[in-house]
Amino acid sequence: AQSVSQHNHHVILSEAASLELGCNYSYGGTVNLFWYVQYPGQHLQLLLKYFSGDPLVKGIKGFEAEFIKSKFSFNLRKPSVQWSDTAEYFCAVRGTGGFKTIFGAGTRLFVKA
Amino acid sequence: DADVTQTPRNRITKTGKRIMLECSQTKGHDRMYWYRQDPGLGLRLIYYSFDVKDINKGEISDGYSVSRQAQAKFSLSLESAIPNQTALYFCATNNGQGADGYTFGSGTRLTVV
Repeated sequence: AQSVSQHNHHVILSEAASLELGCNYSYGGTVNLFWYVQYPGQHLQLLLKYFSGDPLVKGIKGFEAEFIKSKFSFNLRKPSVQWSDTAEYFCAVRGTGGFKTIFGAGTRLFVKA
Repeated sequence: DADVTQTPRNRITKTGKRIMLECSQTKGHDRMYWYRQDPGLGLRLIYYSFDVKDINKGEISDGYSVSRQAQAKFSLSLESAIPNQTALYFCATNNGQGADGYTFGSGTRLTVV
């Protein structure tokens, strides 16, 4: 079955700490991968996406993610988090040529000032 | 103006009542979606529509119905609301090409008492 697993439900970091949020997926085919961010009280916004080519994808606000095909992973990273990065982060997968996007359960990040 | 507008933003309704959530988009996309978000479960697809005449059930369509009134408008109805439909509801749109991500609305927080 198609699924997305996010390893951590809650993460607490201090400002300037490095961030890595894990995401693994199960899908029988080639995929497009996404990270969305939901700031408190707001809607989901696209942070970055992978569709082909360089497996290291750079997104907005200093975030990046690496697609490791052999591990079915698409982990999100940021070298130095800020208080304003406090949000919930969702990993999502969609088969290429498909339409249905499957979301992970989300990881709530809290950054202490 | 927002690319995807949802109304109402918040709604409290009683068990058994019929309620409609509305969504309109200015992106000019054909594809529109309704998701519900529950804590710890991520987003789950309720219904999706690829054009005005094409409406499909998602993974949790029971208890819901939709209407695609125009390319830009896609409404979700709860025919007889029940408490376990209390959730945050998001409308989204994309063009369905390549790795196009979703543009989400701001959400409707629905409480069924």
